[in-house]
Amino acid sequence: ETGVTQTPRHLVMGMTNKKSLKCEQHLGHNAMYWYKQSAKKPLELMFVYNFKEQTENNSVPSRFSPECPNSSHLFLHLHTLQPEDSALYLCASSQETGGVSYGYTFGSGTRLTVV
Amino acid sequence: AQKITQTQPGMFVQEKEAVTLDCTYDTSDPSYGLFWYKQPSSGEMIFLIYQGSYDQQNATEGRYSLNFQKARKSANLVISASQLGDSAMYFCAMREMNSNSGYALNFGKGTSLLVTP
Repeated sequence: ETGVTQTPRHLVMGMTNKKSLKCEQHLGHNAMYWYKQSAKKPLELMFVYNFKEQTENNSVPSRFSPECPNSSHLFLHLHTLQPEDSALYLCASSQETGGVSYGYTFGSGTRLTVV
Repeated sequence: AQKITQTQPGMFVQEKEAVTLDCTYDTSDPSYGLFWYKQPSSGEMIFLIYQGSYDQQNATEGRYSLNFQKARKSANLVISASQLGDSAMYFCAMREMNSNSGYALNFGKGTSLLVTP
């Protein structure tokens, strides 16, 4: 366990379904992130939250909706997804104190398949 | 534009040998950090080593060392005495301190390392 827990580990959903991914960190970090990892492509940053406030939305389609109710929890709500959204979704957290962060802590990811 | 370039899609190394994974980066920010992560087949991204742009010495963490050549903008990872458990994807990443991307990391496409007996 890294201190960042993602559930579920695997998810298969139809294009008309609504589902949510959950991320929880017990490290006392103040920043949390969603990344998307598709085959043969670099990790793509989706959303950044700092002290529960969204500080970045990296041109992500509105069918992905993030929620950060507190600094320990991060959700990614999914609706009417497309097959090309199938990927590994990684959550990460870090402690940002104005200096350089010595590494982000990632969860194990949710493997999403859209059918 | 690609900020992190990893030119080796796949590498093989024999057990107990050393291997170097290449990484070059592109930035005009004088303050940045470079990271290497390992991703086994389970999917988890495991932090290996960090190098700050103002660090005078190359970073080392156990069997991992970072060959930091600032003028050439390269940050190669060296794994000494490879073990079978080192087989995984390896990602180089950079964070620019003065970027409008905030705290985000930019990742390369990764190098797949296979350690053979």
